Amino acid sequence: GQSLEQPSEVTAVEGAIVQINCTYQTSGFYGLSWYQQHDGGAPTFLSYNALDGLEETGRFSSFLSRSDSYGYLLLQELQMKDSASYFCAVTNTDKLIFGTGTRLQVFP
Amino acid sequence: GAGVSQSPSNKVTEKGKDVELRCDPISGHTALYWYRQSLGQGLEFLIYFQGNSAPDKSGLPSDRFSAERTGGSVSTLTIQRTQQEDSAVYLCASSAGTAYNEQFFGPGTRLTVL
Repeated sequence: GQSLEQPSEVTAVEGAIVQINCTYQTSGFYGLSWYQQHDGGAPTFLSYNALDGLEETGRFSSFLSRSDSYGYLLLQELQMKDSASYFCAVTNTDKLIFGTGTRLQVFP
Repeated sequence: GAGVSQSPSNKVTEKGKDVELRCDPISGHTALYWYRQSLGQGLEFLIYFQGNSAPDKSGLPSDRFSAERTGGSVSTLTIQRTQQEDSAVYLCASSAGTAYNEQFFGPGTRLTVL
């Protein structure tokens, strides 16, 4: 089977750093993506890791360890607008398999 | 150019009726995907098109669901004899190539089956 596990909810305050973990078990793996979805909105792409290591894009960084079937999204200098759901997704040959999402709430 | 568009944005139907959901991908994007998202849940893969062909239909929940794509552009997802459990947001995404590339999502169609 295919499964991706993420925490269901994370809370933090403005200016803090938060890490959202994702562990996966899939029959095929080409890379790990992260998407952000605000309530009522469409998912938007944040990052993609095909190789082990850390990818940094502004305040967001994403990490992958293929040997551990594990990745995380790191959000720094949190802002209120970062309150949203975050999904990890495994690229499996020709499609994305999404996790169930982590709801991040940022408080002032 | 414009992003991915979907229509209608909302659809309310009665159990047993057929519905058609439309997706207009970004111009030039060869890959098109349909997903279903139930309230507070993740995205469930339904079907993938590369051009007009559908190499992967593995996510379609039952034979009541079908989809087509014409001219390598517009796609229609059809649900026949709708059931209450079909109620969800149906999202369409397109990308320039394979799933390695970023997927661009449309705003979705919220389907409610009474």
